[in-house]
Amino acid sequence: DAKTTQPPSMDCAEGRAANLPCNHSTISGNEYVYWYRQIHSQGPQYIIHGLKNNETNEMASLIITEDRKSSTLILPHATLRDTAVYYCIARSNSGYALNFGKGTSLLVTP
Amino acid sequence: EAGVAQSPRYKIIEKRQSVAFWCNPISGHATLYWYQQILGQGPKLLIQFQNNGVVDDSQLPKDRFSAERLKGVDSTLKIQPAKLEDSAVYLCASSFDGTTNEKLFFGSGTQLSVL
Repeated sequence: DAKTTQPPSMDCAEGRAANLPCNHSTISGNEYVYWYRQIHSQGPQYIIHGLKNNETNEMASLIITEDRKSSTLILPHATLRDTAVYYCIARSNSGYALNFGKGTSLLVTP
Repeated sequence: EAGVAQSPRYKIIEKRQSVAFWCNPISGHATLYWYQQILGQGPKLLIQFQNNGVVDDSQLPKDRFSAERLKGVDSTLKIQPAKLEDSAVYLCASSFDGTTNEKLFFGSGTQLSVL
């Protein structure tokens, strides 16, 4: 699986958009980009994933650059409950399990 | 829909003792995963089952850790004997059939403290 690089921490004001970046410059053509988040004392929770095209669901939007070397997770209107560690993962076809890094700790402030 | 169930929620033991964790995945999910999460780090895969067979156990410390999923449903993870460095949260996850384009569902984990 390709290595991903994320900033260790970010802040966001409540009600504003939170844009979480992820670099995956060695990603291969068949690797999906997954985003999970982990709220304190809970297991990781799936947010969104994509291969080439931008994706949107009820939780977030995922923007993948045309060269697929980086992506951005967008939480359009962050709330205090969005405070969590966010993991960006490149997942290959050769393995099924997710390999987590350290993620980005997002703090949403009032 | 019921989620992934894990027990116990917390466990405190002394080093060299044994401990076991239990996981019941979402009904119908063929793939089950055990992860170890040390404080401040992301989860690390220990073992992955497809039904009752092991797909990947390359990161499982087999001298002290063992896991089984005898009937292809629930699973147990055992540590014997425990070391101080085993203090961590042990997370169980499941997915429908383990293919690349699907999501994993995680339980809340068992927090283990080894004294």
